[in-house]
Amino acid sequence: EDKVVQSPLSLVVHEGDTVTLNCSYEVTNFRSLLWYKQEKKAPTFLFMLTSSGIEKKSGRLSSILDKKELFSILNITATQTGDSAIYLCAVLYDAGGTSYGKLTFGQGTILTVHP
Amino acid sequence: GAGVSQSPSNKVTEKGKDVELRCDPISGHTALYWYRQSLGQGLEFLIYFQGNSAPDKSGLPSDRFSAERTGGSVSTLTIQRTQQEDSAVYLCASRSDRPYNSPLHFGNGTRLTVT
Repeated sequence: EDKVVQSPLSLVVHEGDTVTLNCSYEVTNFRSLLWYKQEKKAPTFLFMLTSSGIEKKSGRLSSILDKKELFSILNITATQTGDSAIYLCAVLYDAGGTSYGKLTFGQGTILTVHP
Repeated sequence: GAGVSQSPSNKVTEKGKDVELRCDPISGHTALYWYRQSLGQGLEFLIYFQGNSAPDKSGLPSDRFSAERTGGSVSTLTIQRTQQEDSAVYLCASRSDRPYNSPLHFGNGTRLTVT
């Protein structure tokens, strides 16, 4: 069965700490892995990763994909209270048959950053 | 509008009633997805439309749930004879199929409360 697993499920840190969020997956016909940040409402897009070993970076956030070991990490350095959110990992893949371009999400990691 | 639009933003209904949730995707996006999110949880896939292909309904939790997409644009998710366990935020998202890998763009969701 296709699945996406995130860890940890929740994380509490203090401002200035560095965090690493994990996402592992088992899917057929992988296309890409995506990270989203969700605060109050709609998830907002962070990164899309398609190739192994190439780091994507945006400010204090960075992410990398390992297609051999089937996982990705999302790093946040010098965390701030505004980083508190649910971080969602999703995998885009071709599910076969008449279905393609399916996107399956992990359970999410709830990050809480205290002042 | 520029983004995915969902309505209503909040819906309170009595157990046993039917509800309809609407999603207006980004213009030109051929793929449309419905997800459900319970409090503090990840996104649960419900159904996916891609162009004129048959929808992937594999995530619909019961036959009380159905969805349509008319004219390749607006979609309606219908829940018949609502139950309390249907209470959740229902998120709609759309994506383009050009390029091959492109991220999902989410609406703000409909918060459904079944009393």
